[in-house]
Amino acid sequence: NAGVMQNPRHLVRRRGQEARLRCSPVKGHSHVYWYRQLPEEGLKFMVYLQKENIIDESGMPKERFSAEFPKEGPSILRIQQVVRGDSAAYFCASSRDRSDYGYTFGSGTRLTVV
Amino acid sequence: AQSVTQLGSHVSVSEGALVLLRCNYSSSVPPYLFWYVQYPNQGLQLLLKYTTGATLVKGINGFEAEFKKSETSFHLTKPSAHMSDAAEYFCAVSEGLGGGSNYKLTFGKGTLLTVNP
Repeated sequence: NAGVMQNPRHLVRRRGQEARLRCSPVKGHSHVYWYRQLPEEGLKFMVYLQKENIIDESGMPKERFSAEFPKEGPSILRIQQVVRGDSAAYFCASSRDRSDYGYTFGSGTRLTVV
Repeated sequence: AQSVTQLGSHVSVSEGALVLLRCNYSSSVPPYLFWYVQYPNQGLQLLLKYTTGATLVKGINGFEAEFKKSETSFHLTKPSAHMSDAAEYFCAVSEGLGGGSNYKLTFGKGTLLTVNP
């Protein structure tokens, strides 16, 4: 997991609040991927971003979820008006280019909605 | 569309015994295949991957996997289990060369490996 930094490691939010998850990719990597792991499930793809662009958001819920990867700073996964079902581990990965098969993940942010 | 099936959500072995974790996949295009390991409260670490070439792939920590196209399988093995191998293991597939969504991994549900002393 060296290099991909995610924070916070744990996040507790009350229903209706906003959650912001941050991902700093490996230095020099311009491709970022977000995955969600629900309890007793494998990871599921959410979104693929390059600097300032969303390439594929086919795995993102249609409402309340958004992601960005600005020119400067970390990638942000934002969940508005959280609900209990959003409780999960959210993992970020990065790669130098699109053909880096088998990218490595960060340690994740574990979101708990109470 | 792609999918991954990991047979056995929980596998228990004795220290020193053979480890065999099963993975079958379905893919409409030639796949790339991966095994990841996840230790408690940590992220996923890539163990090994098959893209092209030799079908027997060696990874870190003494693990290896063999791509068998005829059986659509990519089982993970290790000759002798160590206590430190206790973790959850995930098999994943992506579209291979030329696939438009080759960056997108589809994961199995995982197999929890317990190693008994």
